[in-house]
Amino acid sequence: DGGITQSPKYLFRKEGQNVTLSCEQNLNHDAMYWYRQDPGQGLRLIYYSQIVNDFQKGDIAEGYSVSREKKESFPLTVTSAQKNPTAFYLCASSPTTSGVQETQYFGPGTRLLVL
Amino acid sequence: GNSVTQMEGPVTLSEEAFLTINCTYTATGYPSLFWYVQYPGEGLQLLLKATKADDKGSNKGFEATYRKETTSFHLEKGSVQVSDSAVYFCALRDQGGKLIFGQGTELSVKP
Repeated sequence: DGGITQSPKYLFRKEGQNVTLSCEQNLNHDAMYWYRQDPGQGLRLIYYSQIVNDFQKGDIAEGYSVSREKKESFPLTVTSAQKNPTAFYLCASSPTTSGVQETQYFGPGTRLLVL
Repeated sequence: GNSVTQMEGPVTLSEEAFLTINCTYTATGYPSLFWYVQYPGEGLQLLLKATKADDKGSNKGFEATYRKETTSFHLEKGSVQVSDSAVYFCALRDQGGKLIFGQGTELSVKP
């Protein structure tokens, strides 16, 4: 089955620690995205990548970093500079037609908690 | 800038009641519009979409019509079920391909 997988489902971070969230897709989509969801709020875009080896900051990129070395993978690192990392993190991907990103499809999410 | 506004929740209905969740948007041009649904502890699932004015998206008994004159994309369902309990997000896709989300509306359906 094609889809988007995120791991782990739950992740705990200690003070001063960097943690990495995994996102993999086998849909052959060019574009991938990371969103943050806080309780009672909509999703906010952290980073996105339209093609391998290229990515752009979203609305709330501070304290986060990403890489896109393979089409299938778009890991997100939450660094110690992110002072309020507790949230639900969602990865998405979309096909691209003539340079335009199409409908986005989402993974199951990773919940990050600070110890 | 682009933005999406949804009616505040939670919305509580009895089974078989009629559902409307209001969504209005502000955008340059005529963006594609989407409704996503999120069940507890899960990611978002695409529920329906519309790509141009007067288009009607539909899926699983849910419908929404793209109204450019009122810049709205209200979600409706004629008879809700307990299994429809979830959070519903309205979103638009901007000219750069990014999604702009509303804050979400929680729906609770009681038997």
